[in-house]
Amino acid sequence: NAGVTQTPKFQVLKTGQSMTLQCAQDMNHNSMYWYRQDPGMGLRLIYYSASEGTTDKGEVPNGYNVSRLNKREFSLRLESAAPSQTSVYFCASSEVRTSGGYEQYFGPGTRLTVT
Amino acid sequence: SQKIEQNSEALNIQEGKTATLTCNYTNYSPAYLQWYRQDPGRGPVFLLLIRENEKEKRKERLKVTFDTTLKQSLFHITASQPADSATYLCAPQGTGGFKTIFGAGTRLFVKA
Repeated sequence: NAGVTQTPKFQVLKTGQSMTLQCAQDMNHNSMYWYRQDPGMGLRLIYYSASEGTTDKGEVPNGYNVSRLNKREFSLRLESAAPSQTSVYFCASSEVRTSGGYEQYFGPGTRLTVT
Repeated sequence: SQKIEQNSEALNIQEGKTATLTCNYTNYSPAYLQWYRQDPGRGPVFLLLIRENEKEKRKERLKVTFDTTLKQSLFHITASQPADSATYLCAPQGTGGFKTIFGAGTRLFVKA
C-alpha cells in the first residue's frame, strides 16, 4: 500500500499562474482533505470531501478550488496564484474508527513557492 | 473563536527521561483529541486518539490524558530516546470529525 500520494513534491509558480495539486489514496477511505501548513501555525483546512461526490469549505478556502474525481483522488486547484499561497500543502484521508473519531493519514506534502 | 495552544518553545530533555507536552484549548468542546508526530519535511503521522469520556490512554511508551474540565491534554513519552525527536501536534476533533483543528505543535529534542 502506498497510502496517500501527492504530486508534485515541489513547485515554483509566478504570481497569476495556475496549477493543480494531485492527491490519491489507496486505503478505500471515504473522506479526503486538503490542508496548508505555514511556519509557526497549525495545519489549516482548505477544503474537505466527506464522501465521493461532496466537497465543503474549510477554514481557508479563498483562492482555491477542489475536485473529488472519484473515491481515490482529490485535487486542489489554484486558479491565479498569489505570494500568500506560498506554503506546504498536505492531502489526507480518513475513515471513521469503530470506537469513534477520524484518524487521518497524510501524504508527504507539496512545497509551493509563488514569486 | 476556537483556539489550540501548544508550547511554542522547544522542549529539550535527556535520553531516558519522561517528556511531557501540553495542549490547551478554548471555546471548544471536542469529542476526541488526537496526537500526531511530524518529522521535518514529512506529513504528520497519527499516534493516539482519546475520547472525551476517557481520562487516560496508553500505547507502548506513550500516554495521553484528557481533562475536559481544565480543557487540557497532556502527552507523555516515557524512557525517551533520540529517535523520539520530532514535532508533536495536538488535534481536538468534534463529533462530525471532518473539521479537526490542529495546534502549531511542540518541537521535542531528546539528547543522548
